[in-house]
Amino acid sequence: AQSVSQHNHHVILSEAASLELGCNYSYGGTVNLFWYVQYPGQHLQLLLKYFSGDPLVKGIKGFEAEFIKSKFSFNLRKPSVQWSDTAEYFCAVTASGGYQKVTFGTGTKLQVIP
Amino acid sequence: DAGITQSPRHKVTETGTPVTLRCHQTENHRYMYWYRQDPGHGLRLIHYSYGVKDTDKGEVSDGYSVSRSKTEDFLLTLESATSSQTSVYFCATNTGGSFPPYGYTFGSGTRLTVV
Repeated sequence: AQSVSQHNHHVILSEAASLELGCNYSYGGTVNLFWYVQYPGQHLQLLLKYFSGDPLVKGIKGFEAEFIKSKFSFNLRKPSVQWSDTAEYFCAVTASGGYQKVTFGTGTKLQVIP
Repeated sequence: DAGITQSPRHKVTETGTPVTLRCHQTENHRYMYWYRQDPGHGLRLIHYSYGVKDTDKGEVSDGYSVSRSKTEDFLLTLESATSSQTSVYFCATNTGGSFPPYGYTFGSGTRLTVV
């Protein structure tokens, strides 16, 4: 079974700082990887996804993530955060094919200070 | 998302009572899922469905049952609610198929409090 680890539970940044949130997964086969964002009081929304091809994936709102297969990692990055990026971020993985059960990490709360 | 509706949005119930949460989708998605979200645990899969009348257990299925009699509806029942089931419950759908993986579409959630 797959699993996901997010090592940063709570991150505080000032506006314009660069962001990198760590995500490592555990699974022996081919995976699909996702980052979701949950703004306060809202449901999860898809930020970006990787399923094949270019390991550098660009998502919405200036976010990107890089899949490094040798490190089983899919870290999320943004060069310059804004106050509106304050949210909780979830990394997720699913094995390719099958019933696409997605396994989520425990989340990272990002607080951006103006 | 407008295509997935969860009801009720909020509910307070007493320990020992049965509770049913409803997820309704207008997307004609094949796959549907119920997750619970708790601080420090992220989202954990309770049950999922891969078609009408086809369901299976997730990682935290004890105390929960589901039914899917129509493509558009996926019901989650807490057979006898306990305080440990106080949580926010999210329904999600997926179009299915292995390529490309579209990712989930989530409902707005149901906040359940068991007192």
